[in-house]
Amino acid sequence: GESVGLHLPTLSVQEGDNSIINCAYSNSASDYFIWYKQESGKGPQFIIDIRSNMDKRQGQRVTVLLNKTVKHLSLQIAATQPGDSAVYFCAEMADSNYQLIWGAGTKLIIKP
Amino acid sequence: NAGVMQNPRHLVRRRGQEARLRCSPMKGHSHVYWYRQLPEEGLKFMVYLQKENIIDESGMPKERFSAEFPKEGPSILRIQQVVRGDSAAYFCASSLRLRGGDTEAFFGQGTRLTVV
Repeated sequence: GESVGLHLPTLSVQEGDNSIINCAYSNSASDYFIWYKQESGKGPQFIIDIRSNMDKRQGQRVTVLLNKTVKHLSLQIAATQPGDSAVYFCAEMADSNYQLIWGAGTKLIIKP
Repeated sequence: NAGVMQNPRHLVRRRGQEARLRCSPMKGHSHVYWYRQLPEEGLKFMVYLQKENIIDESGMPKERFSAEFPKEGPSILRIQQVVRGDSAAYFCASSLRLRGGDTEAFFGQGTRLTVV
């Protein structure tokens, strides 16, 4: 039979506020993590990555935090804008592998 | 430098027909990955190829699905005798190197396959 799609978790944020999107990863051997943004009808777009020897990395308006103790990854978006509306995926990769394992995604909605 | 190009963007096939999805990686990229995405879900790895070689096809269904990346031309994902459950978005990504730097994978816009 056909598989049933899961409803994505949704985060609603006021325009101009900061957004925090969380992700729990599964493999303690994963050493490389990426956040992707996917807008409706488009392919995933790389946002920022982080390796396991770091716990924080900053980009333009985005910050990724990695907590290896609890296997938790977060993406912080500063001063959220309407163009940030999308589904955000975290992905993990282990050094011994090259498959990106994707999380389920979080839909970010910007309220005017 | 064009990005990853996938075509067609939309493909409609009747049950039992064949679907061919094409992916041209970014210039200079020799690593190609195919992913499948169902609505409201994350991407699921299918296959990883380098030129003329299938490196990992552990995510590919054992039957009806095949992939190639010839020396010349695009990578092809081929689905024979399609069924309704094959309806999904299929994304291709390419990268410059596997590990050790410059591993960012760039994604195409995807091919949306609908089986009727």
